[in-house]
Amino acid sequence: KQEVTQIPAALSVPEGENLVLNCSFTDSAIYNLQWFRQDPGKGLTSLLLIQSSQREQTSGRLNASLDKSSGRSTLYIAASQPGDSATYLCAVRRYSGGGADGLTFGKGTHLIIQP
Amino acid sequence: GAGVSQSPSNKVTEKGKDVELRCDPISGHTALYWYRQSLGQGLEFLIYFQGNSAPDKSGLPSDRFSAERTGGSVSTLTIQRTQQEDSAVYLCASSLAPPGQWGDTQYFGPGTRLTVL
Repeated sequence: KQEVTQIPAALSVPEGENLVLNCSFTDSAIYNLQWFRQDPGKGLTSLLLIQSSQREQTSGRLNASLDKSSGRSTLYIAASQPGDSATYLCAVRRYSGGGADGLTFGKGTHLIIQP
Repeated sequence: GAGVSQSPSNKVTEKGKDVELRCDPISGHTALYWYRQSLGQGLEFLIYFQGNSAPDKSGLPSDRFSAERTGGSVSTLTIQRTQQEDSAVYLCASSLAPPGQWGDTQYFGPGTRLTVL
């Protein structure tokens, strides 16, 4: 059974710092990996999706990397801002070869950026 | 355009009652997913629809849970004889394409917070 772990569970840093959130998964047979952000009382917003054949994806100040063989992904946030405060979730989709299933999520990293 | 919508946003019910949760996916999205987020737990996959059929029901926690989708659009998640452990936020997502195909990025609704007293 696929298990996804996110470290740290919580992080508080001053505004302007660069930071790295970590995600690991136990089954490397994944189709893709996705990073989401969740704001209190709201749904999830997709940030970046990395296909299993890709090594990284970038969007603005965000960069996500994927090392499928070692079962790891990192989300790098550059020049953090108070508006980045949220819970960040990592999710993987298993490669099901014609079958279909939902995403397996980690428990998230709760990020606070101090003004 | 409009995103995924869910209703009600909050639902409080008594133990033993049945509840229905509704999801309206993004127009044209063929795939629809239900997830549950319990306090202190991660997001848990419940069920997935492609069109009106559900090829994967493996995540439903018990036979008290059922879901249907009609017209390839609206979906309803029904919980019968609710228990306190059913209290959670139930999230719905939709994607343009089926899982494993280009365009399978999932877009989430705001969720329904269910409280069972």
